[in-house]
Amino acid sequence: SQQGEEDPQALSIQEGENATMNCSYKTSINNLQWYRQNSGRGLVHLILIRSNEREKHSGRLRVTLDTSEKSSSLLITASRAADTASYFCATDGSSNTGKLIFGQGTTLQVKP
Amino acid sequence: DARVTQTPRHKVTEMGQEVTMRCQPILGHNTVFWYRQTMMQGLELLAYFRNRAPLDDSGMPKDRFSAEMPDATLATLKIQPSEPRDSAVYFCASAVPPGELFFGEGSRLTVL
Repeated sequence: SQQGEEDPQALSIQEGENATMNCSYKTSINNLQWYRQNSGRGLVHLILIRSNEREKHSGRLRVTLDTSEKSSSLLITASRAADTASYFCATDGSSNTGKLIFGQGTTLQVKP
Repeated sequence: DARVTQTPRHKVTEMGQEVTMRCQPILGHNTVFWYRQTMMQGLELLAYFRNRAPLDDSGMPKDRFSAEMPDATLATLKIQPSEPRDSAVYFCASAVPPGELFFGEGSRLTVL
């Protein structure tokens, strides 16, 4: 079964608004990562949060992790049209092999 | 600018034909992954290698798929014979675990 499941599946907002995407997973983890995929392109790493961290920031991105609830959220503040993409969470299932299992993703559309 | 290179970017073939996809991982990355992306299944892990040795290929249909790393600069994914249900985008990614994965741009395969 999928390790990560994102919610919502699709999100449409206006430029300048904040976008929040959620991810739930099923097993213990060492870390959780978020990736972005523009249409027709490969995935690009955004941020990694370790299991002993609760929150992490990178520019306009804020990620939270709740290991007791097995959930994470990605917040994009002051969104731009260029943020339009699909966003995926990925977990390592507490393995040390580097193997990541991806969720189904959230498709974000930011309207100018 | 180090990147993962995949060829071909697009491939259209007929059912029953052999398809080979190639990947050049980032120099120094010791772990290489093959993922398949479809609308229905999302991103599925097919196989991955550590220091050129296969670690896990349980996600791959064994009867028709094979993955190899002839040397540290080349990973291959072969489908023989191909079937229409193999139509998907195939991604290669490389990493130095437990860090982020670096993805190629993908090989879009259409089997008629």
